[in-house]
Amino acid sequence: GAGVSQSPRYKVAKRGQDVALRCDPISGHVSLFWYQQALGQGPEFLTYFQNEAQLDKSGLPSDRFFAERPEGSVSTLKIQRTQQEDSAVYLCASSRPSGANTEAFFGQGTRLTVV
Amino acid sequence: GIQVEQSPPDLILQEGANSTLRCNFSDSVNNLQWFHQNPWGQLINLFYIPSGTKQNGRLSATTVATERYSLLYISSSQTTDSGVYFCAVHRSTLGRLYFGRGTQLTVWP
Repeated sequence: GAGVSQSPRYKVAKRGQDVALRCDPISGHVSLFWYQQALGQGPEFLTYFQNEAQLDKSGLPSDRFFAERPEGSVSTLKIQRTQQEDSAVYLCASSRPSGANTEAFFGQGTRLTVV
Repeated sequence: GIQVEQSPPDLILQEGANSTLRCNFSDSVNNLQWFHQNPWGQLINLFYIPSGTKQNGRLSATTVATERYSLLYISSSQTTDSGVYFCAVHRSTLGRLYFGRGTQLTVWP
């Protein structure tokens, strides 16, 4: 696609509900990242994929957070048993490292509100 | 990880004014990006600038990697420039970006 696409744009979940957020990266981009952005803060790293391999998940805040990218393209970030502190904007980015060029491009984000 | 500090945290300007935003980072980096986050939350790529100077219209950026800082210049600011400006760095050719906390820019007509 022309850009990184995320869906849904907005999600309201009741506390305890499971949610799934989707990211469709730029075609041909092998690297995919998930970030969490709380209100008034900069994006915080969650996890990173190189093709289908999850190379870094050090930023996932708890075992309720799970991400996958089974075919090396579309990725899903799943949050189980959502809590109020999970309310944030979830951003997905992709890049196609070419030599030293690692420019990342972001999607519009999914705003999750847990009530 | 790398610490990224941006200044000032807030900036209020009259339309037409010029401004300079600064980004300091605590360790050597492979790459640096500047983003503008619009009111709808989208991060728009402004510059990919591991070193040197680049210009794009009214915006320009300079990175001095050896001294671990980057500057973003906005000239003749417009109300549409309002939003949050983020600096983010890569430590290696693979892996995550480290973000600063941003500069909130408000431009009044």
